[in-house]
Amino acid sequence: DADVTQTPRNRITKTGKRIMLECSQTKGHDRMYWYRQDPGLGLRLIYYSFDVKDINKGEISDGYSVSRQAQAKFSLSLESAIPNQTALYFCATSDLGQYQETQYFGPGTRLLVL
Amino acid sequence: QKEVEQNSGPLSVPEGAIASLNCTYSDRGSQSFFWYRQYSGKSPELIMFIYSNGDKEDGRFTAQLNKASQYVSLLIRDSQPSDSATYLCAVNQGGKLIFGQGTELSVKP
Repeated sequence: DADVTQTPRNRITKTGKRIMLECSQTKGHDRMYWYRQDPGLGLRLIYYSFDVKDINKGEISDGYSVSRQAQAKFSLSLESAIPNQTALYFCATSDLGQYQETQYFGPGTRLLVL
Repeated sequence: QKEVEQNSGPLSVPEGAIASLNCTYSDRGSQSFFWYRQYSGKSPELIMFIYSNGDKEDGRFTAQLNKASQYVSLLIRDSQPSDSATYLCAVNQGGKLIFGQGTELSVKP
């Protein structure tokens, strides 16, 4: 089984709808992240969480919210979806090392907002 | 200025050649640096990380770091068509990774 899973893998929704993307991990990592990827723009950080009680905004948090339900679960919500939120969304986890902050990515959720 | 910059490419090299991918970063306090490979439609996967000045080799891959010049590179020797992908440079800043926009590499048979 995959260490980092995301559901759904694909989603089509309409402008104004609320949707939730879910991420689960079995790696036992404390740190979890949500990114979005747009063509030519690389990965941009939306929110991150260093433990269950810690939530931080990333580079592009406007229009998004998150919930860290447990060490293993980190959900991303779009309160009122808009077309420019159409993108590929990745969840990632990491564990703290002295220098190594290797992140492990889920398979991604492809979201289309009409 | 972007915090992490890469040439978007595409970079095209013939099979068997050396592919050289470059990345610059703006935060002098950055301590660790990562190269990820991403195939089209797939998630990024770690190739290498480096935190000391100089070279670090792993098989056909060599990462090079020059903190004075704020420059990190990835060399791929004996490039194969299966190396065709987008390569993402990332810099650790306070426990977060800041990614460049990625360089698309195409290895022609």
